[in-house]
Amino acid sequence: GQQLNQSPQSMFIQEGEDVSMNCTSSSIFNTWLWYKQDPGEGPVLLIALYKAGELTSNGRLTAQFGITRKDSFLNISASIPSDVGIYFCAGQLTGTASKLTFGTGTRLQVTL
Amino acid sequence: GAVVSQHPSRVICKSGTSVKIECRSLDFQATTMFWYRQFPKKSLMLMATSNEGSKATYEQGVEKDKFLINHASLTLSTLTVTSAHPEDSSFYICSAWGLAGSNEQFFGPGTRLTVL
Repeated sequence: GQQLNQSPQSMFIQEGEDVSMNCTSSSIFNTWLWYKQDPGEGPVLLIALYKAGELTSNGRLTAQFGITRKDSFLNISASIPSDVGIYFCAGQLTGTASKLTFGTGTRLQVTL
Repeated sequence: GAVVSQHPSRVICKSGTSVKIECRSLDFQATTMFWYRQFPKKSLMLMATSNEGSKATYEQGVEKDKFLINHASLTLSTLTVTSAHPEDSSFYICSAWGLAGSNEQFFGPGTRLTVL
């Protein structure tokens, strides 16, 4: 099935640094979502974006829905150890019960 | 609110046996449930979409006779891996949609299947 391309694939950062990751698609989505997955658990929704160009924040997290509808980025400011995990973007086409297409994931590791 | 549980959390079975995984929405009625498979260090890949009371819709390449999905009630969907083989070993995750006033799909904690 289709997957969205995320970059970087993984990153090591120091505590306190800002993080930026992005997600690109060859096709348009109507909704972009960002999830975090801890080892051995299901993903948890961080931010949802519903409109092209939309910029939304959730605490230290900020995400934007690309104007072309084919990309999105997620920024994490002032990273802390509990930010460690895998971050996935997901695109959704039509309707709220429609399926999600997940990105390839960005693995974030924070060093003290 | 919006808690989704899965049972079991881990299961080990012998090759050739069948395994049933349950997905329950604990505090809301899930009109639609989704089943995903995730291989180690990989992303979630949708296997099928199930609506309560109707047959599941499978993604291309997913064998419906091997991965039996039943969504008999608004709070329970089951995935049965029939005649499991080692290559079916994976992390299976469900999500549920239908919480009133929410557009979100809520994910379960996943089930780790190991086939020996």
